[in-house]
Amino acid sequence: DAGVTQSPTHLIKTRGQQVTLRCSPKSGHDTVSWYQQALGQGPQFIFQYYEEEERQRGNFPDRFSGHQFPNYSSELNVNALLLGDSALYLCASFGTGLTGANVLTFGAGSRLTVL
Amino acid sequence: GQSLEQPSEVTAVEGAIVQINCTYQTSGFYGLSWYQQHDGGAPTFLSYNALDGLEETGRFSSFLSRSDSYGYLLLQELQMKDSASYFCAIGDDKIIFGKGTRLHILP
Repeated sequence: DAGVTQSPTHLIKTRGQQVTLRCSPKSGHDTVSWYQQALGQGPQFIFQYYEEEERQRGNFPDRFSGHQFPNYSSELNVNALLLGDSALYLCASFGTGLTGANVLTFGAGSRLTVL
Repeated sequence: GQSLEQPSEVTAVEGAIVQINCTYQTSGFYGLSWYQQHDGGAPTFLSYNALDGLEETGRFSSFLSRSDSYGYLLLQELQMKDSASYFCAIGDDKIIFGKGTRLHILP
């Protein structure tokens, strides 16, 4: 049973560029949340997608946007990259009505470096 | 808003017992979760407490006191592989994490 898969695993961008990160949730899960984790810090909630709509959002600027597809996979887009966007971006999924939001399954993350 | 406080670092000896505390503030409470993250790895779910009391899962136990807005994770018979960061988390659909406690284990 495949868990949460994310791509790419590592990428390097320069300031001002745009990036798209991808996530496939665990089989049977329909809700995807995205987190940003800076080195030595806890995951910070960016937003959550369910039924192809953004359901919840954390304190992140509009430069951060996302999308969910009919197969429940999701993308995170970040525009006008800043040095401070360098972090590990984690995708987490859960199944509404299954384990619930309190039991998140995380992917291995996408490590973004902005130069 | 929601916030969580946990110690930044804890050190213990292999074979011993260690407790990692977590206090939280939230307007609506839906339970306290714990996650483990090894360096370079993804967070993995350890336990969840919705009600007061102790939940045991093998060497790991988690405790919750809703009246005190407090919980802890107890790790017994520590092994070197338990060296990791541990996060407490709260929320309903939107799960918020603490800053994490780095557990160092000495041989």
